[in-house]
Amino acid sequence: DVKVTQSSRYLVKRTGEKVFLECVQDMDHENMFWYRQDPGLGLRLIYFSYDVKMKEKGDIPEGYSVSREKKERFSLILESASTNQTSMYLCASSLSSRVGGYTFGSGTRLTVV
Amino acid sequence: DQQVKQNSPSLSVQEGRISILNCDYTNSMFDYFLWYKKYPAEGPTFLISISSIKDKNEDGRFTVFLNKSAKHLSLHIVPSQPGDSAVYFCAASPSSGTYKYIFGTGTRLKVLA
Repeated sequence: DVKVTQSSRYLVKRTGEKVFLECVQDMDHENMFWYRQDPGLGLRLIYFSYDVKMKEKGDIPEGYSVSREKKERFSLILESASTNQTSMYLCASSLSSRVGGYTFGSGTRLTVV
Repeated sequence: DQQVKQNSPSLSVQEGRISILNCDYTNSMFDYFLWYKKYPAEGPTFLISISSIKDKNEDGRFTVFLNKSAKHLSLHIVPSQPGDSAVYFCAASPSSGTYKYIFGTGTRLKVLA
């Protein structure tokens, strides 16, 4: 089975901290994505990457950056965490085709206090 | 500007009856659509897809209908089971580009035993 693993299920961080969310997939997928899920807003795309060292901004990139040094790993970085970044963060991966869509990780519930 | 809309935030259905979840989109370039199911504290899981060359796709108890002229799709679950209680997201992808999906805001389905 395709597996997307997010390193933490729950995180609590302080305002102003630099936060790293890690995501690893084991199926050699080209594309990787970071979404956040908030009540009433659905899933919103933060950043995505279609190749190693390639990245593109999604719909809400402000306050975030990403890193993809290896094909299987895609990291989301909160440069200076703020309370409005408290959310569920979901990583996903996919092939460079649309069949089957994305495979998601289990999510990281981040609370910024 | 919400390109994919799920106007019903929640839906309750009796066990054994049909559940119908609706999704509308505005972008005529969308030509591939997915439905995902999400349980609390888990990542979304792929349920069913449909291409714009079809108007119906079935997989067991799940059927997705696409009405291109109305820019509307629906997911039918028959018969509904308590284990179907979850949040359902529809997602759409344009015919070109990097296969990025735009998600709706989700509908919480509750199947009553």
